[in-house]
Amino acid sequence: GAVVSQHPSWVICKSGTSVKIECRSLDFQATTMFWYRQFPKQSLMLMATSNEGSKATYEQGVEKDKFLINHASLTLSTLTVTSAHPEDSSFYICSAVPRDYYTDTQYFGPGTRLTVL
Amino acid sequence: SQKIEQNSEALNIQEGKTATLTCNYTNYSPAYLQWYRQDPGRGPVFLLLIRENEKEKRKERLKVTFDTTLKQSLFHITASQPADSATYLCALDVRGSGGGADGLTFGKGTHLIIQP
Repeated sequence: GAVVSQHPSWVICKSGTSVKIECRSLDFQATTMFWYRQFPKQSLMLMATSNEGSKATYEQGVEKDKFLINHASLTLSTLTVTSAHPEDSSFYICSAVPRDYYTDTQYFGPGTRLTVL
Repeated sequence: SQKIEQNSEALNIQEGKTATLTCNYTNYSPAYLQWYRQDPGRGPVFLLLIRENEKEKRKERLKVTFDTTLKQSLFHITASQPADSATYLCALDVRGSGGGADGLTFGKGTHLIIQP
């Protein structure tokens, strides 16, 4: 149980285009999902907290107009990288906290590798 | 903000021995501390969570200790196997409130290599 999927697993796009990444909790409902970014040989960095039905909360230094987050249902959150540039190339990982579990454990997706040319 | 240090970038251990990884944090005491395993090109996989009022937790061949005085957690893998080779990440709740779902701050990880 507690499986999280991401789509796509990898994407290559041209500079200036927008890319949407989906994060789904497959066998549980998640009121809260998180988006992280990981550069090579670096730690995961929290970008934003996504709550179903409300606006996302962004960490300091993360541009909310560039990284659009939509958490439209209890099983789906999307991250859209708008006007992507090569410096946005990274490994994007989402996580979800099961709504009905008494736990602080987060379940992570497999990640999406974004390469911006 | 919280700063996390994990003892070494890489650790080589002979198969069958116990691997011990260290995680130190510098700022506020977290409500809990978690350990994850990450394989190349994959998302982290949850292993263990230990709360501030717990000193030790075990799961099969894994053991985690938590010393809030030293601001340190130790992660042990006993009877290590080549399949245990991976990067192990230490993570703390970002704001230390422990009030339900909170984002995590991660260390850079320790790349563990178990040699047959």
